[in-house]
Amino acid sequence: NAGVTQTPKFQVLKTGQSMTLQCAQDMNHEYMSWYRQDPGMGLRLIHYSVGAGITDQGEVPNGYNVSRSTTEDFPLRLLSAAPSQTSVYFCATFNTGELFFGEGSRLTVL
Amino acid sequence: TQLLEQSPQFLSIQEGENLTVYCNSSSVFSSLQWYRQEPGEGPVLLVTVVTGGEVKKLKRLTFQFGDARKDSSLHITAAQPGDTGLYLCAGEGFAGGFKTIFGAGTRLFVKA
Repeated sequence: NAGVTQTPKFQVLKTGQSMTLQCAQDMNHEYMSWYRQDPGMGLRLIHYSVGAGITDQGEVPNGYNVSRSTTEDFPLRLLSAAPSQTSVYFCATFNTGELFFGEGSRLTVL
Repeated sequence: TQLLEQSPQFLSIQEGENLTVYCNSSSVFSSLQWYRQEPGEGPVLLVTVVTGGEVKKLKRLTFQFGDARKDSSLHITAAQPGDTGLYLCAGEGFAGGFKTIFGAGTRLFVKA
């Protein structure tokens, strides 16, 4: 049972490059979300989705895009990476009062 | 904007000692959750408290939700090295749990 799978686990980008962080779940949960975790700031919500075809912004959405074409997948796109986007990114599903997290993707932007 | 403040930020104690971690807010939450996170992994849910004044126990861990549902505490009795990790409190507002907000976390290190 894989749960929530994130790829890649590590990535280094140069300023201005674009990339997509992949997130896939096999639990058939409707709700999915992306968080970023920075030292001393906890987890902050970037974007979330309540179901296929529906997405909305969280607390820190600038510089990120998302789409939800299927229940299983919720990719996070960085259009033009900036050093301020250096962080650990977590994808999560939500069901019956609990968030289920992936193992995280550590992104460094030089 | 709802905020959750955790204290202390860091805690280093000897095995066998007791400790308490606090989570405070000026906002009311429909529920508060405690997660534990180990290096290289995502947070994992420990407990959810829903009712004001509620106390839940999970082995040596005791969780309490404030009467006004604005704050919570986590007490660990006789800490063990296996308790080492990052403890995060999280508040679920009335808009839905998928918009859960998190405190900055308490990093606990228990020395053998």
